[in-house]
Amino acid sequence: DAKTTQPPSMDCAEGRAANLPCNHSTISGNEYVYWYRQIHSQGPQYIIHGLKNNETNEMASLIITEDRKSSTLILPHATLRDTAVYYCIVRVGTSGNTPLVFGKGTRLSVIA
Amino acid sequence: GAVVSQHPSRVICKSGTSVKIECRSLDFQATTMFWYRQFPKQSLMLMATSNEGSKATYEQGVEKDKFLINHASLTLSTLTVTSAHPEDSSFYICSARRGGGAETQYFGPGTRLLVL
Repeated sequence: DAKTTQPPSMDCAEGRAANLPCNHSTISGNEYVYWYRQIHSQGPQYIIHGLKNNETNEMASLIITEDRKSSTLILPHATLRDTAVYYCIVRVGTSGNTPLVFGKGTRLSVIA
Repeated sequence: GAVVSQHPSRVICKSGTSVKIECRSLDFQATTMFWYRQFPKQSLMLMATSNEGSKATYEQGVEKDKFLINHASLTLSTLTVTSAHPEDSSFYICSARRGGGAETQYFGPGTRLLVL
């Protein structure tokens, strides 16, 4: 079972920041937070991951609360191509064969 | 990011036939690959974990004799759907685990299977 809770859907105006929340209140000390997205009829795309510090890359920023029980994925300037289902997943980082377990995710619709 | 390919991208077959789907990691070696299945409007469901040189580990409810997995090299895993039936029609997605650090998983583009 997925260990995260996400809103089922969100809308965002094109050009504005999209802030996608995720609750993971039972996260363990050695579990990372991963974010993936899936555009319709494609395989999931890796976005970003983090353990406890905030992270930023060319796609997004990841803000993790100090108690690590929740996080927010930020797309700074959303475009129509960012419309997708976004999955927040927690998993032990150096886990060997432990796979990613997907929940239902958040369907983000970017509106012109 | 790392590249994972799948072939074919879509396949239509008759009921009772077998279909093989290939998953390749193009720019890294993957000791572990994973196979997922996704039905319309649903999330990805893990089917099995494929380890190079050893038997795959199947999730509960997934028939190992129906979904044959072979991971013969560090860059190739295959999923064979044997005696396919219409209820096997789905979107099949593989992923490969890239080692080092947080061991990110990278996903293939998926294979859409339609069994008539």
